[in-house]
Parts: sequence; C-alpha cells; structure tokens
Amino acid sequence: EPEVTQTPSHQVTQMGQEVILRCVPISNHLYFYWYRQILGQKVEFLVSFYNNEISEKSEIFDDQFSVERPDGSNFTLKIRSTKLEDSAMYFCASILTGGVTEAFFGQGTRLTVV
Amino acid sequence: SQQGEEDPQALSIQEGENATMNCSYKTSINNLQWYRQNSGRGLVHLILIRSNEREKHSGRLRVTLDTSKKSSSLLITASRAADTASYFCATDLNRDDKIIFGKGTRLHILP
Repeated sequence: EPEVTQTPSHQVTQMGQEVILRCVPISNHLYFYWYRQILGQKVEFLVSFYNNEISEKSEIFDDQFSVERPDGSNFTLKIRSTKLEDSAMYFCASILTGGVTEAFFGQGTRLTVV
Repeated sequence: SQQGEEDPQALSIQEGENATMNCSYKTSINNLQWYRQNSGRGLVHLILIRSNEREKHSGRLRVTLDTSKKSSSLLITASRAADTASYFCATDLNRDDKIIFGKGTRLHILP
C-alpha cells in the first residue's frame, strides 16, 4: 500500500540552527501539507501546497518557515532559525485531489530544539 | 479559530464495551474524517463521511453525521486493548482543501 514517508524520524537541533524536514508524498498525489503537534496537544495546520506553490498557510507559518518541492518527489519543510517552541512532531500529508478524499499522513518527525 | 471539538477529552472503558466519541464543529463542511493516533505515532485514517451522508460503517466502526447540529460521533463496538489511542475528528471546509483537527479524545481500554 502506498504511504507517505518522512525523514528523519527524530531530529535534535540547537536553538538558532536551520533544520530541513523531508517528506516523500504518495507519487500521484497533488496536494501536500505540513502539520505540527506539540506534545499532548492538537494537530495544527501549517501549510498547504499545490501546483508548486503555497495555497494556504496558518499564522504559525511565519517567515522562519518555508516549503519546497525541489525534484517532483520530495516535499520539504525548512525552519530557518529554530526556537525552543518549535519542538514538536511534524507531520507531512498528501491528498490525491482537492475535495472529497482522505489525507494520508507520514509517521512524523519529532523535532527537539535544545 | 478551532473547528472541531471532541468530547470527552478522555475515556476509559472495559475491554468489550462500546466506546462513543463525539465531535462538534462550527462551520459548514465538505467532509468529516476520523483519525487514530497511537502514542507518539502518526495519524491513521479511519473513516470519511461526506456532508450528504448520515451514517457510515467500517468493521467495528460506526460514524454518524448530523449537519443540522454540526456534530459527528464515532462508535467503536466490542473494544479491544489495541483500540487504546487518541481519536481525532478532522473537517475540511467548503472554501478550501486543508483539514482541521480537533483536540482529540484519548481512549483507554482497560483489560
């Protein structure tokens, strides 16, 4: 069964460092998302990406965040200068088409900023 | 603003009993989905119900949707220890494609 894969599964980084979280969405999917979940809290929408551009972003997704689909398969989330409060699980998701379809989620990357 | 709200926030039941979780939302939706998350793991899609559907079944899962009350329920029948997890409802709005999660219900099945 096709699946969304995320790497690394766990990333520890020093405050102020840049991190890149990687995702390989399901190959024929067209819509891509990043979500984050601070420990014990709800899953929060960060950004959606369609047709090689951001289609929507939340207020969490500030100038420190960026997304890219550099090669048609990978979908990356970059945090330029990490803060302690960026520590969370980050989930990538993909959807086949807009509208009435389920979102497939990766297993997540646990980011720990120290 | 928060779209989905599950209740209860936590639920403990004996193995074999039925578990019911509820979700309320605020604005009109295209669909409502339920996801499960085992501790520290990813989100697993359980079931999707469209806004024009009222009830859907999948194995031991039964989902209802009442658009007039803007609410949904997830029933897990004959619960098992492996059902211990957090359950989230997620809605996608008419005007865009992102899905918004509620805070989830932590379900604990007691042996």
